[in-house]
This record gives sequence, structure tokens and C-alpha cells, in this order.
Amino acid sequence: AQKVTQAQTEISVVEKEDVTLDCVYETRDTTYYLFWYKQPPSGELVFLIRRNSFDEQNEISGRYSWNFQKSTSSFNFTITASQVVDSAVYFCALSEPLYNQGGKLIFGQGTELSVKP
Amino acid sequence: GAVVSQHPSWVICKSGTSVKIECRSLDFQATTMFWYRQFPKQSLMLMATSNEGSKATYEQGVEKDKFLINHASLTLSTLTVTSAHPEDSSFYICSAPGQGLGYQETQYFGPGTRLLVL
Repeated sequence: AQKVTQAQTEISVVEKEDVTLDCVYETRDTTYYLFWYKQPPSGELVFLIRRNSFDEQNEISGRYSWNFQKSTSSFNFTITASQVVDSAVYFCALSEPLYNQGGKLIFGQGTELSVKP
Repeated sequence: GAVVSQHPSWVICKSGTSVKIECRSLDFQATTMFWYRQFPKQSLMLMATSNEGSKATYEQGVEKDKFLINHASLTLSTLTVTSAHPEDSSFYICSAPGQGLGYQETQYFGPGTRLLVL
């Protein structure tokens, strides 16, 4: 069965600190996709990144970076020099390809990040 | 591209009434859409998969007679909560896979609908 675990329920940091959000997943499939979404207080889910299981290359986008390691089934997310606007709930998610399970997402429990000025 | 809208964004209703929520893909077509439910301080749970031109597929434990899904066109799926009760109060959010190479495996979400049943 597929499962996503975000062990950190809440994280609080002071502005400009770096913070890493952990994500561990379980799947028996060889082809799968991993995602990070941001959910600000407004509730809308904002897509941040997608990674497929064959691409372990780490990615950096501005202050955001992601570390995908298949050996440990982890897909961690780091925010460098955090800002107050980064305060939100962050979800890690897993899906199988569209042709298999139709692309439905299995979400982790979410990590609520609070960045204080 | 890949913008999904939902209407209404907020709805308050009396217990026993039915509520319809619309999910539209604005700049692309979606033969499949997904409906999720999120209770306060919890994660998103998939309720059902909406399929254009055919019956929806419901996740285990979701009452299909209570949560009616209709995918009438390639850009519109509706979720009707029938005979709503206070325990149905939640945040309902839909998603659709993007269209085109590189976008198909990513779900794009609507802004969500907050339902409060009194």
C-alpha cells in the first residue's frame, strides 16, 4: 500500500533561518511521482514541485530546494532564509502514473510551518 | 495554463438541505477530476474520481448516494452533498490533471469550497 509520512506536525522558526521539512514514502511501484504542495491560510493548494521516480537529481528553485533519495524513500524540502510569507501548511504527496491509478494523490499529514519575524 | 476554479467558495446551509459544488477546468480539458475533503487541521482525503461520461469511482467508506458526482462535460464536474448534516461540514477541494506533455502527471487544485452545515 502507498503511504506518505510527514513526521513533523508543526515547525516554528525565526525569519531568515533555514528549515527542512521531512517526507518519507512507501510504495511497491517502480514508477511513481512525488509532489510538494503549499497550503496557505486561504486554503488553496499551490503546486511546488513534481519528481518522478527515475529522476533523483536534486532541484533548486530560488530559496527552495528538494532532496530526493530513493535509497531512504525520502523527499525532503528545504527553505533557505525563510520569510514570514512562507508560513503555511506543506504537504508531501505520492501518486502512481495516470495510466495506472488515474493520478490520485496520497497525501502526508502535512507540516505546519510558522515563520516569525 | 492549468487553472481550476470552484464555486461557491463558501456555503452555509441548514441540516437536511442539498448543496452543489462546481469544479471547472478553465483553460484545459479534463476527462478526469478528483474530489478531496479536508477537515480542520487534517490532511486531504480523496473522496472520489470523477470521470467524464461515466460513473464516478468512490473511495472506500464514501457514500455514493450521499455525495453525488456528475462529470457532464470536459471542463465541469459537480459534487452534490445530499441531505447535508453538520458532520459534512468540511473543506471540499477538487483537482484535475494538467494537459500536455509534462503536465499530465501533476494535479492542479481548485481554491476549495468551505461548507458549514447548521
